[in-house]
Amino acid sequence: SQQGEEDPQALSIQEGENATMNCSYKTSINNLQWYRQNSGRGLVHLILIRSNEREKHSGRLRVTLDTSKKSSSLLITASRAADTASYFCATDPTSGTYKYIFGTGTRLKVLA
Amino acid sequence: DTGVSQNPRHKITKRGQNVTFRCDPISEHNRLYWYRQTLGQGPEFLTYFQNEAQLEKSRLLSDRFSAERPKGSFSTLEIQRTEQGDSAMYLCASSSGTGNQPQHFGDGTRLSIL
Repeated sequence: SQQGEEDPQALSIQEGENATMNCSYKTSINNLQWYRQNSGRGLVHLILIRSNEREKHSGRLRVTLDTSKKSSSLLITASRAADTASYFCATDPTSGTYKYIFGTGTRLKVLA
Repeated sequence: DTGVSQNPRHKITKRGQNVTFRCDPISEHNRLYWYRQTLGQGPEFLTYFQNEAQLEKSRLLSDRFSAERPKGSFSTLEIQRTEQGDSAMYLCASSSGTGNQPQHFGDGTRLSIL
């Protein structure tokens, strides 16, 4: 079973607006990663945040991590039509497994 | 860095046939993962290789599934006696082995069982 859950499942916004999506997970982690997937393609790595980090930025992306609440958020600022994609969080558990756990994803649609 | 390459991109086969997919990881990456993704879902872990050693397998990987990574380079995933439920996208990813590293994904092989 997948331990990550993204919220919302789908999000539709106008170009230029900000998009926020959330991820919750269940166990202790080494790191949490966010990926983007365009339809019919593989996943593209966006950002990795370690368990001892609280916030990380990369261009128009801002990721926060709250290990006490076992949650993370991804903020995309000034969205563009090209940001239309599915976004997944993936966790690297500390339980000695090599298994990365992906969530069910947020489908973002940015309207031009 | 030529990226992770997967072949074929699409495979259509009849139920009961065997299929084999290939993954060529980024050359300097010693970690290789296989995932399965169905429509509207996130990738589900199938198996993990460190160099040529298969270190972890999911319970999703039934006896009909086998994966290899000879010489720690490319990997193959074989499904024997395919079933309708095997229809999915099969994704391969690789990463370097120094911990806390992102995974680099191929574009996957989409399997359709008739």
